[in-house]
Amino acid sequence: DAMVIQNPRYQVTQFGKPVTLSCSQTLNHNVMYWYQQKSSQAPKLLFHYYDKDFNNEADTPDNFQSRRPNTSFCFLDIRSPGLGDAAMYLCATSRDVGGPSGDTQYFGPGTRLTVL
Amino acid sequence: GQQLNQSPQSMFIQEGEDVSMNCTSSSIFNTWLWYKQDPGEGPVLLIALYKAGELTSNGRLTAQFGITRKDSFLNISASIPSDVGIYFCAGQLTGNTPLVFGKGTRLSVIA
Repeated sequence: DAMVIQNPRYQVTQFGKPVTLSCSQTLNHNVMYWYQQKSSQAPKLLFHYYDKDFNNEADTPDNFQSRRPNTSFCFLDIRSPGLGDAAMYLCATSRDVGGPSGDTQYFGPGTRLTVL
Repeated sequence: GQQLNQSPQSMFIQEGEDVSMNCTSSSIFNTWLWYKQDPGEGPVLLIALYKAGELTSNGRLTAQFGITRKDSFLNISASIPSDVGIYFCAGQLTGNTPLVFGKGTRLSVIA
């Protein structure tokens, strides 16, 4: 039944050690998003893929990269995690980016990243 | 940039009471979404609104898209303990623009 799946749910890494978070979806949606959410704050969009087209938010640090090898999977790579990167990372999908209801975003359960 | 003002920030209510929260914006949106987030989980979509004036229900939840397109409210009737969580409103101008989130309303239900 799970539609947007994130693995792992909890990830611990060391300061400066690259880490990859994964997201998969069974909805066959065209768009996949990555958000960062810190405690007691709203989710903050990092970037999104429309199909294979990558769209980076202007204030997303270069330390964050993403890959989407196929429709179902999308990865978030943090090249050199700092203590300030500890957060919940949320993946979301939408069917499309236009028209009523097509752009409604559905979120996965998130991966909580701890940086030691 | 666009900002959403969500209120109240937090509420403590007795089980069985009705709840109301709202979001206002300085600019218009074409889509309003309401999500609920439990601790350690991702936001779950409760109600999506796509048309000014639209009033939509989902069980005990009712949400409306304001006619000015600058506001939306969410009502929860007869609250129960599992309604506890953080409720986020989110607005979107077009599918090509990012979702703008409110800061959330933290709901606590006292049995």
